[in-house]
Amino acid sequence: GAVVSQHPSWVICKSGTSVKIECRSLDFQATTMFWYRQFPKQSLMLMATSNEGSKATYEQGVEKDKFLINHASLTLSTLTVTSAHPEDSSFYICSADRGVFPGELFFGEGSRLTVL
Amino acid sequence: ELKVEQNPLFLSMQEGKNYTIYCNYSTTSDRLYWYRQDPGKSLESLFVLLSNGAVKQEGRLMASLDTKARLSTLHITAAVHDLSATYFCAVKAGNQFYFGTGTSLTVIP
Repeated sequence: GAVVSQHPSWVICKSGTSVKIECRSLDFQATTMFWYRQFPKQSLMLMATSNEGSKATYEQGVEKDKFLINHASLTLSTLTVTSAHPEDSSFYICSADRGVFPGELFFGEGSRLTVL
Repeated sequence: ELKVEQNPLFLSMQEGKNYTIYCNYSTTSDRLYWYRQDPGKSLESLFVLLSNGAVKQEGRLMASLDTKARLSTLHITAAVHDLSATYFCAVKAGNQFYFGTGTSLTVIP
């Protein structure tokens, strides 16, 4: 199966700092990558859809300037949480779509962010 | 807005018993996915259902799809403790994936 690697798995940072999370498709080219946020015991909340070489499409209510997404290549997308605050603490998961039928999503391992 | 609802949200069952999780969705789609999530972990793909009447089985789990009723089921047979996890269904519409609310399953010895 396709492999998506997400890094780091855990990150603890001070309030006001920025944190970058990387998502890589290791054995396929991902035409589209998705970033999700998950609160404890809740479903996945789509934050944004990113396509290689173009600006990400953010879901309503997601601050573009706080959650910067860059999809510089077909195998790498990054999410940067800028000026993080405790309310940004969450589990962030990336996923990638190979773009071939049936369009299955492959998920990264997730990144747990704790902002002190 | 496409809605994907799962029922039940929480499920506690004894080992050896059978149960079915339901996934209803609100718009036409011919692709239905089931995922498993262990605590603190990401999602693992279980099944991809692509057509009306599709049925797939893996071990003690069997998934089916009825596109006319906009319903998918995940049936658990003779549950074992290792099946304890949260199960999500997801529907693809256009370029987007829409996830259900999740069903948290606990199998009690």
